[in-house]
Amino acid sequence: DADVTQTPRNRITKTGKRIMLECSQTKGHDRMYWYRQDPGLGLRLIYYSFDVKDINKGEISDGYSVSRQAQAKFSLSLESAIPNQTALYFCATSDQRTGRSYNEQFFGPGTRLTVL
Amino acid sequence: ELKVEQNPLFLSMQEGKNYTIYCNYSTTSDRLYWYRQDPGKSLESLFVLLSNGAVKQEGRLMASLDTKARLSTLHITAAVHDLSATYFCAVDFMDSNYQLIWGAGTKLIIKP
Repeated sequence: DADVTQTPRNRITKTGKRIMLECSQTKGHDRMYWYRQDPGLGLRLIYYSFDVKDINKGEISDGYSVSRQAQAKFSLSLESAIPNQTALYFCATSDQRTGRSYNEQFFGPGTRLTVL
Repeated sequence: ELKVEQNPLFLSMQEGKNYTIYCNYSTTSDRLYWYRQDPGKSLESLFVLLSNGAVKQEGRLMASLDTKARLSTLHITAAVHDLSATYFCAVDFMDSNYQLIWGAGTKLIIKP
């Protein structure tokens, strides 16, 4: 089944450590996204990528960086983690290859990150 | 400013009752999405609404879109416990470069 996977699923780390969250998809979609979710705040977009060479900042990119290693892989890094980056992180994909005019997104299972 | 507002943010109801969740948005769009999230789980796409007057139904859930009022509703008919979840609406605006702008979510608890 075509899918979106994230690793790790859970991570506890300490302030100042570098962390990488990885996302892979077998859907063949061109667009990929990283979101964070905090209780009561809905989803906030960190970065998004339309293809391997096109990466864009979202609403809350400060303190984060990304890499689109291939069409199917999109990783999120926290260069120096801080406690207020404790959150649930989701990767998502969407398919605009055929010029589709809408942006239905498909989500991975999430990574729960705790920064102590 | 591109904004999406849901209400209520929390809803507790009895099984068998009907209720509606509202999603208002700030400026022109004809593309609206509803998602479901179970506690600690991922988001699942429920409905994609792409035109004024669009109505989609799946089981006890029905979603509609009124682009003139900038309003979408998610109606729950004869609620059952299994529908307990958090429901999000999201809108993509012409000015948002295909980014989705999300509501804060409505946490729905259905008591047996």
